[in-house]
Amino acid sequence: EPEVTQTPSHQVTQMGQEVILRCVPISNHLYFYWYRQILGQKVEFLVSFYNNEISEKSEIFDDQFSVERPDGSNFTLKIRSTKLEDSAMYFCASTGEGTGVIPYEQYFGPGTRLTVT
Amino acid sequence: AQSVTQPDIHITVSEGASLELRCNYSYGATPYLFWYVQSPGQGLQLLLKYFSGDTLVQGIKGFEAEFKRSQSSFNLRKPSVHWSDAAEYFCAVAPYGQNFVFGPGTRLSVLP
Repeated sequence: EPEVTQTPSHQVTQMGQEVILRCVPISNHLYFYWYRQILGQKVEFLVSFYNNEISEKSEIFDDQFSVERPDGSNFTLKIRSTKLEDSAMYFCASTGEGTGVIPYEQYFGPGTRLTVT
Repeated sequence: AQSVTQPDIHITVSEGASLELRCNYSYGATPYLFWYVQSPGQGLQLLLKYFSGDTLVQGIKGFEAEFKRSQSSFNLRKPSVHWSDAAEYFCAVAPYGQNFVFGPGTRLSVLP
């Protein structure tokens, strides 16, 4: 069964450093998402991406964050200058339906745990 | 404000007992509704979803959920809980648009 994969599974970085979290969505999917989950808290939407551009983003997704689909298979989340409060589990998700209207089931990756020290 | 609530932070049940996890939402129109399960250190797995039609939906692992428009609820149920069901359960809604809004989660513990 196709699945979303994410690398690395755990990333430790120092405050102020840049990090790139990588995701490989399911191959025929068209919509891509990033979510984060601070330890013990709920999953929060960060950004959605379609047709090589951001379609929606939350207030969490400020100028320190960016997303990219550099090569048609990977989908990356970059945090330019990490802060302690960026420590969280980051989930990538994708969905295959092409209407752009109805949010069908999103398939989630296993997550990358980011620890900022 | 639009929101998803799961009133129970933590529920403990005995193995073999029945289970109901509550989820309420506040949106103007009926959103699309989902339940996800997250085992420790794992990602999110879809249990079931509701878009339209029959208000009682069946999911994987023996779970079902009932949509009640009048109560803005989408409660998850299982008639007989297994020890392997111990996990965090998230209700999620997707209003018209693409992003999901997750509830705060309910942690389920199962006693032997």
